Amino acid sequence: AQSVSQHNHHVILSEAASLELGCNYSYGGTVNLFWYVQYPGQHLQLLLKYFSGDPLVKGIKGFEAEFIKSKFSFNLRKPSVQWSDTAEYFCAVNRVTGGGNKLTFGTGTQLKVEL
Amino acid sequence: GAGVSQSPRYKVAKRGQDVALRCDPISGHVSLFWYQQALGQGPEFLTYFQNEAQLDKSGLPSDRFFAERPEGSVSTLKIQRTQQEDSAVYLCASSPWTQDNEQFFGPGTRLTVL
Repeated sequence: AQSVSQHNHHVILSEAASLELGCNYSYGGTVNLFWYVQYPGQHLQLLLKYFSGDPLVKGIKGFEAEFIKSKFSFNLRKPSVQWSDTAEYFCAVNRVTGGGNKLTFGTGTQLKVEL
Repeated sequence: GAGVSQSPRYKVAKRGQDVALRCDPISGHVSLFWYQQALGQGPEFLTYFQNEAQLDKSGLPSDRFFAERPEGSVSTLKIQRTQQEDSAVYLCASSPWTQDNEQFFGPGTRLTVL
């Protein structure tokens, strides 16, 4: 079965620190990849997505992610975090062939940014 | 424009009661998804509609769970004879009919079964 792993469940950073959140998936076929964010009290919002082309994708609020096919990874990065980045971050995968349109999510990473 | 809306936002049910959760997708969106999010977990797929057709219900945990979208817009997720393990946030998402299958999520309904 397809699975998505997020290795860091809780991350605490100081403002201006760099961020990298890991995401690995187990499916070997063609996939679409997503990072969603959920700010406190708000609904899930899309940060960025990868469908094809340049494996380095840029999203909103200065976030970026790199798809490394050989490592089955799609890690999220931000060079300098802000207090307002405190949120829960979810990696999600969609199998392009045979998986329908459903998303399989990781368990999420709770990020806290301290002033 | 308006996003995906869900109602009620919170629902408390006694074990054994039936509940109905409503989702209003973004107008014109062809695809509609239901997910279940347990505490401390990521969302898990329940079922998927394309217009009024339920194309995938592989994630529904038991035959107590039933979803419909009779006119291809609003959808209802019904849970019969609720159990404590049904306590979770139920998320609805919609997606336009394009190759870009970004899903837009609603705020969710938090169901607590006592």
